[in-house]
Amino acid sequence: KNQVEQSPQSLIILEGKNCTLQCNYTVSPFSNLRWYKQDTGRGPVSLTIMTFSENTKSNGRYTATLDADTKQSSLHITASQLSDSASYICPPSGAGSYQLTFGKGTKLSVIP
Amino acid sequence: DAGITQSPRHKVTETGTPVTLRCHQTENHRYMYWYRQDPGHGLRLIHYSYGVKDTDKGEVSDGYSVSRSKTEDFLLTLESATSSQTSVYFCAMGSGAGEQFFGPGTRLTVL
Repeated sequence: KNQVEQSPQSLIILEGKNCTLQCNYTVSPFSNLRWYKQDTGRGPVSLTIMTFSENTKSNGRYTATLDADTKQSSLHITASQLSDSASYICPPSGAGSYQLTFGKGTKLSVIP
Repeated sequence: DAGITQSPRHKVTETGTPVTLRCHQTENHRYMYWYRQDPGHGLRLIHYSYGVKDTDKGEVSDGYSVSRSKTEDFLLTLESATSSQTSVYFCAMGSGAGEQFFGPGTRLTVL
């Protein structure tokens, strides 16, 4: 069964600090992995999508990495802002599949 | 995403009543999905559609049915709502192996 484990479950950091969120998955064969940001009470919004051949991809202050061999991905947030407070989820997709596998996500709180 | 809307956004109903949630997209995406999101759980797939009148079950489909008579509309029906179906429901659209774009959600409370 496809699974996603994200860590930490929750994280509190000071505004301006950096942080890294982790995502381990077991989808096989692997196609791609997405990072979404979900603000409280809103639908998830895509930050980036990583394909099998990509190791690193940046979107502003967000940088995602992917190691397809170890089935691990990370999301690094630089110079955090209060607006980064949200849940972050990382569903992978299997090759030939149009379904996503969701974990419980990481809840990030950025405090002044 | 502005190309996908859900209605209603909030609904309170009583146990045993039928409820229909609507998802509408303007992007002509082939695939549409219904998820529910509950505390302590990730998004869980209820049903999905891969074309007009083509639907299939997800992992938590019991008590739910769907219909898709037009590309742009995907309806989720609770035939007889129960308190365990109190949740936030998200609709999503996508092109297949590509990204899924999510709607704003519907908060449903079953008393």
